[in-house]
Amino acid sequence: GESVGLHLPTLSVQEGDNSIINCAYSNSASDYFIWYKQESGKGPQFIIDIRSNMDKRQGQRVTVLLNKTVKHLSLQIAATQPGDSAVYFCAAVYGQNFVFGPGTRLSVLP
Amino acid sequence: DAGITQSPRHKVTETGTPVTLRCHQTENHRYMYWYRQDPGHGLRLIHYSYGVKDTDKGEVSDGYSVSRSKTEDFLLTLESATSSQTSVYFCAISGAVGTQYFGPGTRLTVL
Repeated sequence: GESVGLHLPTLSVQEGDNSIINCAYSNSASDYFIWYKQESGKGPQFIIDIRSNMDKRQGQRVTVLLNKTVKHLSLQIAATQPGDSAVYFCAAVYGQNFVFGPGTRLSVLP
Repeated sequence: DAGITQSPRHKVTETGTPVTLRCHQTENHRYMYWYRQDPGHGLRLIHYSYGVKDTDKGEVSDGYSVSRSKTEDFLLTLESATSSQTSVYFCAISGAVGTQYFGPGTRLTVL
């Protein structure tokens, strides 16, 4: 079956630095991928998505890169701010089936 | 939270009692989902619905049932709660094809 995993359960970065959060997936048949942000006590919040026929997509301070050769995607957050502290996880979408990774907790140090 | 509410937000119950969680949406989306979230695991699908009275099982459906009598409401029932069902439960919605949007979650503790 499909699986989605993240390389690091926790990541600490200095305020103002760039953050890179990684995700790997097993099934190359995914339609697209989504990154979510989840703050403590809240539901996951959509950040950005990328279709499987794209390599890169940019949003406001965020960039998602997709490498289909190695089945890997990453979320880059520019100029990380304290408000970026949260758990980030990716999801691979296969039709109406969403497969979620376990998440990386991002801590922003002052 | 994209027009999604969940109730209750917190609940403590005892083993063997029935529990019903409610998800309500104002977006008129066709698809609704129930997930559970546990430490060390990604969100795991319990049940989902693709229309009124149309539901199907997810990855971890044992011990759970659902009902959808109206487009806007999706109920999750634990017929006889067990301690292994202590978790945070999230409802999500999506349109025909697209991103799922999540509710604020319900924290359930089964003693």
